[in-house]
Amino acid sequence: QKEVEQNSGPLSVPEGAIASLNCTYSDRGSQSFFWYRQYSGKSPELIMSIYSNGDKEDGRFTAQLNKASQYVSLLIRDSQPSDSATYLCAPRVRLRGSTLGRLYFGRGTQLTVWP
Amino acid sequence: IAGITQAPTSQILAAGRRMTLRCTQDMRHNAMYWYRQDLGLGLRLIHYSNTAGTTGKGEVPDGYSVSRANTDDFPLTLASAVPSQTSVYFCASSDGASTQYFGPGTRLTVL
Repeated sequence: QKEVEQNSGPLSVPEGAIASLNCTYSDRGSQSFFWYRQYSGKSPELIMSIYSNGDKEDGRFTAQLNKASQYVSLLIRDSQPSDSATYLCAPRVRLRGSTLGRLYFGRGTQLTVWP
Repeated sequence: IAGITQAPTSQILAAGRRMTLRCTQDMRHNAMYWYRQDLGLGLRLIHYSNTAGTTGKGEVPDGYSVSRANTDDFPLTLASAVPSQTSVYFCASSDGASTQYFGPGTRLTVL
């Protein structure tokens, strides 16, 4: 069973602060890593992907990957109330006998940004 | 607008009834997926399809079946619904190499 663990939350930060979301995964065969944001009652939407060790920045979001430690994180700078949502970590693993992959999702971390 | 559509948006179903959840995508993606999302358990894969004509089982396939007659459609059928199948169901698609895109979901309640 492939495990994806996220900080349990809920996480509450003031507007303008940095929110730090963490994720560890058990499958060393994970090839790429995705962060999805899910607002209450809505479907998940992709906000970041990362494939190589190190940092990847996109606007206020920075994803960090350390494959040796099997750890991936998401930092949200200058947090806004509109960032309040559940954040899902999802490593991608190749399907057996296929070139295609599937995502394994963590249970998510609920983030609240208060004004 | 390109994307994934699901129907119905929500449904209340009596236990023992048969139900098909519909999913259609217009992005010509080869891979399609069905997930269920339950409070505290996250998204769990039910079935997937790499390409038209092929399907595979995810981690929670029991009680569900799928078919993939063409690239665009990937229906999920509950042959005889049970209350434990009460959940929110998401269909997703990808081109196989990267991002999965999710449909808006179907909220199913089995009484």
